[in-house]
Amino acid sequence: KNQVEQSPQSLIILEGKNCTLQCNYTVSPFSNLRWYKQDTGRGPVSLTIMTFSENTKSNGRYTATLDADTKQSSLHITASQLSDSASYICVVRNSGGSNYKLTFGKGTLLTVNP
Amino acid sequence: DSGVTQTPKHLITATGQRVTLRCSPRSGDLSVYWYQQSLDQGLQFLIQYYNGEERAKGNILERFSAQQFPDLHSELNLSSLELGDSALYFCASSVGLAGGPYNEQFFGPGTRLTVL
Repeated sequence: KNQVEQSPQSLIILEGKNCTLQCNYTVSPFSNLRWYKQDTGRGPVSLTIMTFSENTKSNGRYTATLDADTKQSSLHITASQLSDSASYICVVRNSGGSNYKLTFGKGTLLTVNP
Repeated sequence: DSGVTQTPKHLITATGQRVTLRCSPRSGDLSVYWYQQSLDQGLQFLIQYYNGEERAKGNILERFSAQQFPDLHSELNLSSLELGDSALYFCASSVGLAGGPYNEQFFGPGTRLTVL
């Protein structure tokens, strides 16, 4: 069964600190993995997408990594800001062609305190 | 602003009632997706339409139905509402069918439904 597990469920850090969020998946065959940021009460916004051949991709202070062998991805946030407080959702797509499926993780709720 | 619009922003109704949520996709996007997000659940995919035709179904209840019109806007109809249907309902749109690297889904601001 295709599953996406995210950890931790929630995280509280101080402004300026770094943090790493984890995403483990069992989706097969794998096509790509997206990280979304969802502010409270708003729609998710894509941060980055990782395809099979990519190991690392950065978007400003956000760096995503992918290990397709161990089926793990991480999202590293550097020098956190108050505006980073949000839920971060990992979404994995299988390579089913027109019968593809997206599997969503439940998200990690990040709180950045001053 | 993602370019996807949803109305209404908030909806409060009673059990047993029927409501319609509306979504206008980004200009040029042919695919529309509907999601439900409850307090303790992640995003749950409900249904997808592409250029007016249903293309994929997720965990959508029989009491729920959707359609996409010729102008590509979509409506999600929820009937015989129950307390457990209270949730945020998101619409997303994308250019094509598949969730590939060049077919990102853009999410709307959501409709918060409260069933009393």
